[in-house]
Amino acid sequence: DGGITQSPKYLFRKEGQNVTLSCEQNLNHDAMYWYRQDPGQGLRLIYYSQIVNDFQKGDIAEGYSVSREKKESFPLTVTSAQKNPTAFYLCASGSYNSPLHFGNGTRLTVT
Amino acid sequence: SQKIEQNSEALNIQEGKTATLTCNYTNYSPAYLQWYRQDPGRGPVFLLLIRENEKEKRKERLKVTFDTTLKQSLFHITASQPADSATYLCAPSGGGATNKLIFGTGTLLAVQP
Repeated sequence: DGGITQSPKYLFRKEGQNVTLSCEQNLNHDAMYWYRQDPGQGLRLIYYSQIVNDFQKGDIAEGYSVSREKKESFPLTVTSAQKNPTAFYLCASGSYNSPLHFGNGTRLTVT
Repeated sequence: SQKIEQNSEALNIQEGKTATLTCNYTNYSPAYLQWYRQDPGRGPVFLLLIRENEKEKRKERLKVTFDTTLKQSLFHITASQPADSATYLCAPSGGGATNKLIFGTGTLLAVQP
């Protein structure tokens, strides 16, 4: 059953700690994306990767880092430098000029 | 900079009526436009894609139009049902070297029984 999996669904961290969100896909898609969604707001692009070992910053990359060592995986690290890390994080994958497939998100709460 | 605008206020309609959602964009010329549905606490789900050379696209009770002159897309749900209640997102994109997808803020649709 093909799809995109994000884990965990809920994540709690103390301020000052780095945290890594997992995203795995078995759809054989070349491109993967990380978005952030805040209450009442749209999706904002953090980072995206069109091919293994390459990634580009989106509109709000500051305080985040990513890696793309395997086609199937695109983990996102929220660092302590991110000023407002509490949000709903969505991972997606897709092929060029085709619709995106989204995971069901990770809700991160930093206190 | 690129800007995408959707109705910021929730759209409330009666069951059985047609819901019409608007997506306006400025400062770029997308090759196609996508519509997604998002339920609370879930990721968006793709609904329809329309290309710049298509005026209209239909899928069951859904219809999308794309006016590149007005820089606008309209999304219609006919014979709406309470199960159609969700947030609907538009994403104009393509026409460039990347597949970077930028989304509008979404419109919350509430269909009353």
